[in-house]
Amino acid sequence: ILNVEQSPQSLHVQEGDSTNFTCSFPSSNFYALHWYRWETAKSPEALFVMTLNGDEKKKGRISATLNTKEGYSYLYIKGSQPEDSATYLCAPPYSGGGADGLTFGKGTHLIIQP
Amino acid sequence: EAGVTQFPSHSVIEKGQTVTLRCDPISGHDNLYWYRRVMGKEIKFLLHFVKESKQDESGMPNNRFLAERTGGTYSTLKVQPAELEDSGVYFCASSQPGGYETQYFGPGTRLLVL
Repeated sequence: ILNVEQSPQSLHVQEGDSTNFTCSFPSSNFYALHWYRWETAKSPEALFVMTLNGDEKKKGRISATLNTKEGYSYLYIKGSQPEDSATYLCAPPYSGGGADGLTFGKGTHLIIQP
Repeated sequence: EAGVTQFPSHSVIEKGQTVTLRCDPISGHDNLYWYRRVMGKEIKFLLHFVKESKQDESGMPNNRFLAERTGGTYSTLKVQPAELEDSGVYFCASSQPGGYETQYFGPGTRLLVL
């Protein structure tokens, strides 16, 4: 079982500000990292699947980077909007294999204040 | 294209009863996963099907849980007999064949065992 840590656990950001948070994972035997956006009472929404060291992916105002050598990924949100309020989860595969089930961190709970 | 669907959306049962949850994956997705989130904890992997075969069931908590995917289409997860600690949200996800594909989550079944 992989140890995945996300920080901070919660974050309050003023509307319009940009923000970022971290996912840390074991750097040995890295295969992939998934990022999800999750609003409680809904299903987790897939954001990115990152596989290569140095990867940078972007979806609208959200982007993510990956450093597999040191075992971390950053998620950035530019110009936060109230609809960005959610819990952001990162997850490497459970056993390391490509199509394996995922090991989720506890997430970063983001609240955008108008 | 229809997403992952789960039935029922909510279930309230008494300790000792049996409950069966159903998941219909996205058409063409060979990989099907079950996850569970107990209140206040992170989402935990339960098991992974590839078509009708169990690829990995190492996350199943005990033998009161039985998952099936006859015919490689929809899947059921039966809890028998249910215990109080089984309460939580049960998510199903599916992905296309191959490695490192996005896992698309269903809306979840909220199970409460009294």
